[in-house]
Amino acid sequence: GAGVSQSPSNKVTEKGKDVELRCDPISGHTALYWYRQSLGQGLEFLIYFQGNSAPDKSGLPSDRFSAERTGGSVSTLTIQRTQQEDSAVYLCASSLGAGPGVLFFGEGSRLTVL
Amino acid sequence: KQEVTQIPAALSVPEGENLVLNCSFTDSAIYNLQWFRQDPGKGLTSLLLIQSSQREQTSGRLNASLDKSSGRSTLYIAASQPGDSATYLCAVRPGGGSQGNLIFGKGTKLSVKP
Repeated sequence: GAGVSQSPSNKVTEKGKDVELRCDPISGHTALYWYRQSLGQGLEFLIYFQGNSAPDKSGLPSDRFSAERTGGSVSTLTIQRTQQEDSAVYLCASSLGAGPGVLFFGEGSRLTVL
Repeated sequence: KQEVTQIPAALSVPEGENLVLNCSFTDSAIYNLQWFRQDPGKGLTSLLLIQSSQREQTSGRLNASLDKSSGRSTLYIAASQPGDSATYLCAVRPGGGSQGNLIFGKGTKLSVKP
């Protein structure tokens, strides 16, 4: 696609429910990143995929969070048993290649946990 | 632990002024530094990327400088326009460890008044 696409753009859920957030990166980009942006906070790194390498999961805040990337393209971030503190905007980005380069961000998925 | 600080948190200027946004980081061992723009409710747009070996980068009315030894970067915006109103974020890619873990500042919210 022309840019990084994320869905849903907004998600309201009840505490304890599971949610899935989807990211479709720019075609041909091998690197994919998930970040979280909470109100009044900076962006917080969650997870990084690069090609067929094992993902860097060092930023995932708890074992309720997981992500996968199928076929080296689309990625899904899953949050199980959501808590109110999970409310945030979840941003996905992609970049061309593994080297340090420009990141292209999607518009984010805003998650609200009631 | 790398920390990125942006000062001021908010800035309001009249149209036409030249302005400087500041970013500082605590660990000089970085791959690169990137400046982003974020409009309300949107994702991030990369403005300029400076590699660790570079001193500055320019794009149109924007000029970003990097002084790695002192842990500082500035984003200079010439002849500001109301359309420049947005939050500006800087992020560093640490020299070691994961290439995915960009460390972001909390941003400077810029308002350019007509």
